Amino acid sequence: ELKVEQNPLFLSMQEGKNYTIYCNYSTTSDRLYWYRQDPGKSLESLFVLLSNGAVKQEGRLMASLDTKARLSTLHITAAVHDLSATYFCAVDHGSGNTGKLIFGQGTTLQVKP
Amino acid sequence: NAGVTQTPKFQVLKTGQSMTLQCAQDMNHNSMYWYRQDPGMGLRLIYYSASEGTTDKGEVPNGYNVSRLNKREFSLRLESAAPSQTSVYFCASSALRYISGNTIYFGEGSWLTVV
Repeated sequence: ELKVEQNPLFLSMQEGKNYTIYCNYSTTSDRLYWYRQDPGKSLESLFVLLSNGAVKQEGRLMASLDTKARLSTLHITAAVHDLSATYFCAVDHGSGNTGKLIFGQGTTLQVKP
Repeated sequence: NAGVTQTPKFQVLKTGQSMTLQCAQDMNHNSMYWYRQDPGMGLRLIYYSASEGTTDKGEVPNGYNVSRLNKREFSLRLESAAPSQTSVYFCASSALRYISGNTIYFGEGSWLTVV
């Protein structure tokens, strides 16, 4: 059974600081996703990581994937208040590219001024 | 661009009542999905449809049925609602482009309370 675990589950940080969210998954998968969710809102796609060593960056967020370690990281650089949200990683559960996602529990990020 | 549209946004049901959540996408995607999100948790897949005319179970299908009416529409039905089905329901769709990776687009969510 595929399990996806994120840590930490809650993160409170000061503006300007750096931090990393970790996403571990238990079996091999072809792709890993990162999403952002604001309270009461839908999910916004941040990154899709397709291969070992993949690194993608958008603004202050950078995601990487190590398929051998079954680990993805979401690194936040110089956090700003607008990044406050819940971040989910998700792994494709099917064989190949199915879109059937198993989600982590989410990491709630609170950035304080 | 409408993207993925769900209705209704909010619904309160009594135990044992039935209802259907509607979902439509205007992106010509083949694949559609229904997820539920419980407080403090990630989303869990209920059912999915890889293409028009096909449906299959996800992680938590018990108590639900689905219909892929056409390429655009994918509905989720609760035949006899139970309090354990109180949740936020998200419909999603994707083109599943393997080489470039696929973005899975989510609707705005439907808040369902069963009392």
